[in-house]
Amino acid sequence: AQSVTQLGSHVSVSEGALVLLRCNYSSSVPPYLFWYVQYPNQGLQLLLKYTSAATLVKGINGFEAEFKKSETSFHLTKPSAHMSDAAEYFCAVSEETSGSRLTFGEGTQLTVNP
Amino acid sequence: EPEVTQTPSHQVTQMGQEVILRCVPISNHLYFYWYRQILGQKVEFLVSFYNNEISEKSEIFDDQFSVERPDGSNFTLKIRSTKLEDSAMYFCASSVWAKLFFGSGTQLSVL
Repeated sequence: AQSVTQLGSHVSVSEGALVLLRCNYSSSVPPYLFWYVQYPNQGLQLLLKYTSAATLVKGINGFEAEFKKSETSFHLTKPSAHMSDAAEYFCAVSEETSGSRLTFGEGTQLTVNP
Repeated sequence: EPEVTQTPSHQVTQMGQEVILRCVPISNHLYFYWYRQILGQKVEFLVSFYNNEISEKSEIFDDQFSVERPDGSNFTLKIRSTKLEDSAMYFCASSVWAKLFFGSGTQLSVL
């Protein structure tokens, strides 16, 4: 069975500061890992995905994530936060490339302070 | 960029009534999904659909739920007799090559 744990339901950073959102996963097979962002009153937008190629994955809006098998982690980072990054971020895992269910974490609400 | 379209954006219904939530997936996608998010909780998988049949469903997806692709473009979720606990945001998604595209969701309120 697969699962995802996001540490910190709320993260607050200052504009220009580093963003670090934590995600740990559990999977019985090599996982496929995803980060989604949800802006208020909108759907889920894919930020980036890891599907067993490069361990450092670059996504949209300046975000990136590093797959660390030894730590079972897939933390999301961005060097410099913008006000527009304020949203809820979800880490998710699946065990197949397509046609397989995603299991989501609880989500992390990111607040960016001016 | 192509997108998944869901209608309506908000649906209010009385307990015990049937509701149908509608989705138009991206045209060249082959896998379709419904997820839901109860307020303050995780996004949860309900069902996946491939080649005109259910490929996987969760324990949430009981006999009250059904899905259909009636005309090759629409993908619907029917809840036969709604309960208060069905109140949630329902997301449709379609996928190709490990990339799920989600719609904006339908907020279902059961009174």
